[in-house]
Formats: sequence, C-alpha cells, structure tokens
Amino acid sequence: QVQLQQWGAGLLRPSETLSLTCGVYDESFSGYLWTWIRQPPGKGLEWIGEINHFGYTNYNPSLKSRVTISVDTSKNYFSLRLNSVTAADTAVYYCARQQVLRLLGRWFDPWGQGTLVTVSS
Amino acid sequence: DIQMTQSPSSLSASVGDRVTITCRTSQSISSYLNWYQQKPGKAPKLLIYAASSLQSGVPSRFSGSGSGTDFTLTISRLQPEDFATYYCQQSYSAPQTFGQGTKVEIK
Repeated sequence: QVQLQQWGAGLLRPSETLSLTCGVYDESFSGYLWTWIRQPPGKGLEWIGEINHFGYTNYNPSLKSRVTISVDTSKNYFSLRLNSVTAADTAVYYCARQQVLRLLGRWFDPWGQGTLVTVSS
Repeated sequence: DIQMTQSPSSLSASVGDRVTITCRTSQSISSYLNWYQQKPGKAPKLLIYAASSLQSGVPSRFSGSGSGTDFTLTISRLQPEDFATYYCQQSYSAPQTFGQGTKVEIK
C-alpha cells in the first residue's frame, strides 16, 4: 500500500523560499502524476501543480511564476519550492498521488499527512 | 478556471439520517467529478471518483451521481464517523478546482 510522507520547514519569513519534500514508499513513480495541494487555515483546497516521472510539470497559473516542482525517481521523492512567500502563502501543504485514467478522469489518492507552513515576520 | 459551488455550506444531521450534498460547476465537466471527506487535522480522503464510482474501502452508504454541471453526494444513513467536511473537485480542465466544502455536523 503506497504511503506518502512529507517534510520541510514550517516557519518562514516573508520573501523566503518554501521548500517541501514528499517521499513515496511502496510505489513506482511511473504511471502517476505527483501533486501538491494547499489549504489555508479554515479555508478550501487549492491545486498547486503536478509532475510525472519524466519531470514534466504543470502548474496553477495563479502560482506559476513562483513555483517549481521537481522529482528524484532514484530516491523516490518529489519536491515543492515556492519563492517569495508572503502571509497569503500560510497554509497546510499536502502532497498526493494523482491517478489518471482515460475516460474516467483523474483524482488524488492517497495524500500525505500535510505540513503547516506559516509565513510571519 | 471552472468554479465549483457546493450547497449547503453546512448542515446539521442526526445519526441515521439521509444526507445529500450538491456540487454545481460553472461549465459542463461531463463526469469528471470527485468527492473527498476531510476530518479535522487530517488530509482529505477520496470517497467517489468519476462522479459515481465508489473508491475501494469506502462504505456503500456513500454514493455519487450527476453529470454535466450538477452533482450529488449522498450518505444513505449517517454514521458517527461521517461527521466531517466534504469537498467536490473537478478534473475536466486545468487548473483542477475544488468546491468550498460542506461541513456535516451533529444535530
């Protein structure tokens, strides 16, 4: 059963770079998309972006200028970097596996445990 | 971006009740609609994918229906462990977007 375990710094100052990593256990990288999603405190969910095992990425246009998602298939992890953070980037960040099936669509399952990232001066 | 509108935003129900949550999209998305359950402090959990397919391991009291712009999540007989927030999500076009959530509370 695939498990996603994420880690990274939880407290940042404005203008710093957010950096999170998601380890993928008991699953091959190929055949799926690997995704980052965030949730501001008390609010809804926002898709940040995704990557496949070839390193092809797709980002939310609202964050595209500041986001980089990368993958290391040899170590079975993928990472998120978000530059120039502000208080508006304070959120719980989740990694998730994205299943893609032709004619059925795509969905997120499972999810990592989440990491609260707080941006404060 | 495709806008997702869930209703109601919250509801109060009793154990054993039938609960229905609606998700409406700003444009037709065929059946590319998923439902998630989130409990406080936890990651969302996939319940339904492709509008009506039950994810493995999810109790059969959960069901989904709809296509186009109108979708429904139904819990046939609410159980104590079902009190949570429910989100719909479209995968028809990028960026994938979520509804604002429906909180199901104990009456």
